[in-house]
Amino acid sequence: DAGVTQSPTHLIKTRGQQVTLRCSPKSGHDTVSWYQQALGQGPQFIFQYYEEEERQRGNFPDRFSGHQFPNYSSELNVNALLLGDSALYLCASSREQFYEQYFGPGTRLTVT
Amino acid sequence: AQTVTQSQPEMSVQEAETVTLSCTYDTSESNYYLFWYKQPPSRQMILVIRQEAYKQQNATENRFSVNFQKAAKSFSLKISDSQLGDTAMYFCAFMKQGAQKLVFGQGTRLTINP
Repeated sequence: DAGVTQSPTHLIKTRGQQVTLRCSPKSGHDTVSWYQQALGQGPQFIFQYYEEEERQRGNFPDRFSGHQFPNYSSELNVNALLLGDSALYLCASSREQFYEQYFGPGTRLTVT
Repeated sequence: AQTVTQSQPEMSVQEAETVTLSCTYDTSESNYYLFWYKQPPSRQMILVIRQEAYKQQNATENRFSVNFQKAAKSFSLKISDSQLGDTAMYFCAFMKQGAQKLVFGQGTRLTINP
């Protein structure tokens, strides 16, 4: 049973560019949440997708957007990248009605 | 809004010793869940232990146990017989019932020395 997978592992982008990160949830999971973890900090909630719709959103600007596909996989898009967007981006999946979240290995984004 | 505070940025103990990591949280909610996650250098966030707020009994998972004090809003993690593989960042996290959104503390870097 594959766990949560994320791609790519590492990514280097230039300020002002756009980036797309991908996540495949654990088998049987239908809810995907995205978190941003800056260096030396705890993860911060970006948003959550369920039934292909954004269900909850944290305190992040509109430059951060997402999508969930019918197979429950998800994308995180960030436009107009800033140096401060450099972080580890974590995807977590869960089943609706169940509270336990399983995390992927993350994507390390570096903005130069 | 909920907040989670971990007051120990770093801790270091010898292998086989017992260590306790502290966590306090602030919430007006009655129904919630608390978690400890471990993040080794590989970056994968791994669930160590969870506690439902409505349960009075403290959760235990092998060498890991918690001391949940609901009135004091305290949720500490005890690691017994510590092992080198326990070296990692440890995060305390809060989830309001029905929210499926985790609120994390700043983390405690734990080093187990041989």
